[in-house]
Amino acid sequence: NAGVTQTPKFRILKIGQSMTLQCTQDMNHNYMYWYRQDPGMGLKLIYYSVGAGITDKGEVPNGYNVSRSTTEDFPLRLELAAPSQTSVYFCASSYSSRRSEKLFFGSGTQLSVL
Amino acid sequence: AQTVTQSQPEMSVQEAETVTLSCTYDTSENNYYLFWYKQPPSRQMILVIRQEAYKQQNATENRFSVNFQKAAKSFSLKISDSQLGDTAMYFCAFMSTLTGNQFYFGTGTSLTVIP
Repeated sequence: NAGVTQTPKFRILKIGQSMTLQCTQDMNHNYMYWYRQDPGMGLKLIYYSVGAGITDKGEVPNGYNVSRSTTEDFPLRLELAAPSQTSVYFCASSYSSRRSEKLFFGSGTQLSVL
Repeated sequence: AQTVTQSQPEMSVQEAETVTLSCTYDTSENNYYLFWYKQPPSRQMILVIRQEAYKQQNATENRFSVNFQKAAKSFSLKISDSQLGDTAMYFCAFMSTLTGNQFYFGTGTSLTVIP
């Protein structure tokens, strides 16, 4: 009963490096999301996906890319990391049933760009 | 775009007392969902309570209840008999049914329960 699994939990990057945050869910959810959480700013949507092969930008997509080749996986790619991308990143998923909408969250990734 | 506003950055309450956290939102949609999520120091996001906009009845979950005022676009959370484990960041969230089930979050209220 894993739910939403995110890796890694912590990461330090140097400016200009790239990395991929992994996210997988085992609940057969069609919707998946990436959020970033900055102090005092709540959660901001980076990208989301309504199903395999379909992705769309959220509020703050610049500097990030995503793909959704399977229902289970939704990796987030950071290209050319910048200090402004220092944040906590959450992957989440939901199932659209009109009766049980809610977000299931991963445990988060603390990313520091130095 | 939908906006969610939490006007209380920090609050505190004595153990066993009752506290109300405020949330307002702005939308032109008629059917949507509202949520309160709790984030303790562990960072894990935990669903506290969920409200469907087309339901008049306020949702309740044990010590947690909401006051949903659709016309006023208000969605406050009441915590009764506060416990030390309620100390956490609380986020109000709005889910749009028109734009890929997008969830919009407020900036959060940091609640401290004082023993």
